[in-house]
Amino acid sequence: AQTVTQSQPEMSVQEAETVTLSCTYDTSESNYYLFWYKQPPSRQMILVIRQEAYKQQNATENRFSVNFQKAAKSFSLKISDSQLGDTAMYFCAFITLNNAGNMLTFGGGTRLMVKP
Amino acid sequence: DAGVTQSPTHLIKTRGQQVTLRCSPKSGHDTVSWYQQALGQGPQFIFQYYEEEERQRGNFPDRFSGHQFPNYSSELNVNALLLGDSALYLCASSLWPFTGELFFGEGSRLTVL
Repeated sequence: AQTVTQSQPEMSVQEAETVTLSCTYDTSESNYYLFWYKQPPSRQMILVIRQEAYKQQNATENRFSVNFQKAAKSFSLKISDSQLGDTAMYFCAFITLNNAGNMLTFGGGTRLMVKP
Repeated sequence: DAGVTQSPTHLIKTRGQQVTLRCSPKSGHDTVSWYQQALGQGPQFIFQYYEEEERQRGNFPDRFSGHQFPNYSSELNVNALLLGDSALYLCASSLWPFTGELFFGEGSRLTVL
């Protein structure tokens, strides 16, 4: 079975500081993508960052970066210089690549509160 | 360039009724997936459509059915609604085969009374 575990249900950080959200996953597949999505109260799922499993280099998008440890099946998200607008639910997810279809498997989410 | 659009945004039904939710994929995308997100939880995969066929299905009963039209838009139908079907239903579009891009709509919030 494919699973994603986010062990931190809630986290808080002061504005301008750095926070790291944890994610571990389990799959027997070797070819997959990993994602972090942000879901504010407006509810739309917004892509934060994406990592292809075959790439060893960690993905970065402005203030967002990941620490991808393939052997450990770990995919943490680091948010630098946190802003009030980063307050949201964050979901870790992965999608395996096969000819039968591509389903996203999500974790349970981490609620992040950025405090002024 | 329109993104993924879903309708309706909110709806209220009573137990036993039927509901149809609609999704138009991002321009250029040919694959549509549906997810159910219960309050406070991560989304759960319902099914995926490509070339008007259901290609993969999650662990959902037959009360959940879908359709994809030649213009790639899709419908999700839920029959015999239960209280537990109350959730946010998210539609996502992508390409087949998957290229790494996947975009979500804003969702349809279903409340079953």
